[in-house]
Amino acid sequence: SQTIHQWPATLVQPVGSPLSLECTVEGTSNPNLYWYRQAAGRGLQLLFYSVGIGQISSEVPQNLSASRPQDRQFILSSKKLLLSDSGFYLCAWKVGWRNSPLHFGNGTRLTVT
Amino acid sequence: AQTVTQSQPEMSVQEAETVTLSCTYDTSESDYYLFWYKQPPSRQMILVIRQEAYKQQNATENRFSVNFQKAAKSFSLKISDSQLGDAAMYFCAYEKNRDDKIIFGKGTRLHILP
Repeated sequence: SQTIHQWPATLVQPVGSPLSLECTVEGTSNPNLYWYRQAAGRGLQLLFYSVGIGQISSEVPQNLSASRPQDRQFILSSKKLLLSDSGFYLCAWKVGWRNSPLHFGNGTRLTVT
Repeated sequence: AQTVTQSQPEMSVQEAETVTLSCTYDTSESDYYLFWYKQPPSRQMILVIRQEAYKQQNATENRFSVNFQKAAKSFSLKISDSQLGDAAMYFCAYEKNRDDKIIFGKGTRLHILP
């Protein structure tokens, strides 16, 4: 069966520090991978998605970046965190065909102080 | 650009009653997919129900059903016989065919009153 791992579960970082959130999927190959951010009052905001290794689509221009160094690994990064980067970050995967559902990780609560 | 709007930030319903959550979307496409996801207090997102735009019949999953009105670009979720475990944030989502981007609304927080 397929599983998705996302870590860390919680993170407190000072403004200006770097960020690295990691997500891995097991039990499937060539999944579509997604990073969403959930902030109060803003719902679920799509940040990045990837349909293959090295293929990253960015939805929101900001100081975050994403990479997919391996088929089932998706990394969210920042060189310098802002206060506005605080939120709940969710990684998700789905098979490539249409109408397949997203499967979400447990999320990372990021607080930038 | 496609957008998904959930106009009800919060709703409450008495246990065992029926509640309808609203969702509208904006698209110029004719072929797409719509979803409702549930996020309980554990914050683990799970799929509730999905609908293909080319299907006229409304999807149903046990106590959950949708009212899909393509011309009005409306996709509401009806929960019958509400249970305490239905208390959660509910998100409406849209996926265009031949695209891999999935966008969500802002969510509706549903409270179940015992």
